[in-house]
Amino acid sequence: GENVEQHPSTLSVQEGDSAVIKCTYSDSASNYFPWYKQELGKRPQLIIDIRSNVGEKKDQRIAVTLNKTAKHFSLHITETQPEDSAVYFCAANPNDYKLSFGAGTTVTVRA
Amino acid sequence: NAGVTQTPKFQVLKTGQSMTLQCAQDMNHNSMYWYRQDPGMGLRLIYYSASEGTTDKGEVPNGYNVSRLNKREFSLRLESAAPSQTSVYFCASRRDSTNYGYTFGSGTRLTVV
Repeated sequence: GENVEQHPSTLSVQEGDSAVIKCTYSDSASNYFPWYKQELGKRPQLIIDIRSNVGEKKDQRIAVTLNKTAKHFSLHITETQPEDSAVYFCAANPNDYKLSFGAGTTVTVRA
Repeated sequence: NAGVTQTPKFQVLKTGQSMTLQCAQDMNHNSMYWYRQDPGMGLRLIYYSASEGTTDKGEVPNGYNVSRLNKREFSLRLESAAPSQTSVYFCASRRDSTNYGYTFGSGTRLTVV
């Protein structure tokens, strides 16, 4: 099955700096890569996704890049703010019906 | 439009007791999922239902059963709860197989003592 590895497990950044989270996947058939944000005690929520036919996607302060050859994708958050503090999960789809998730990255933005 | 609704939000069980976690979605989604979330392990798939009338095992199905009652509802049953099943359980749904992201319920925090 699909194996998604996510690094780092924790990340502390100064407010205004950038944060980068990296994920690798094993199944070359995966073609959809979403990112979820989970605030403390809340449900995971989709923040951005990318499909295999594009290499980069941006939405305001967040962007995702995909390298299909190397089987890795990354989340970039620029100009971090305190409300960006959360756990972030990457995921990949080993088939059309399910997602395999990374173990998560706890991001702390220091004021 | 409530999205994905899970009940209960919290539950404490004794070892060996049984219970059913309920999940319903009102978005006319075809696929539904049950995940468990444990510290440092992310979200692990227990069972999923690609469409009404079908169910399949995920990564960690042992100790659980599911029922896709109709298009809206997908329940998760623990027949004989064990302390290893202490976790936060999330139900999710997805419209179809064209890779749209999941919508998650608010979760059920289950403790087995």
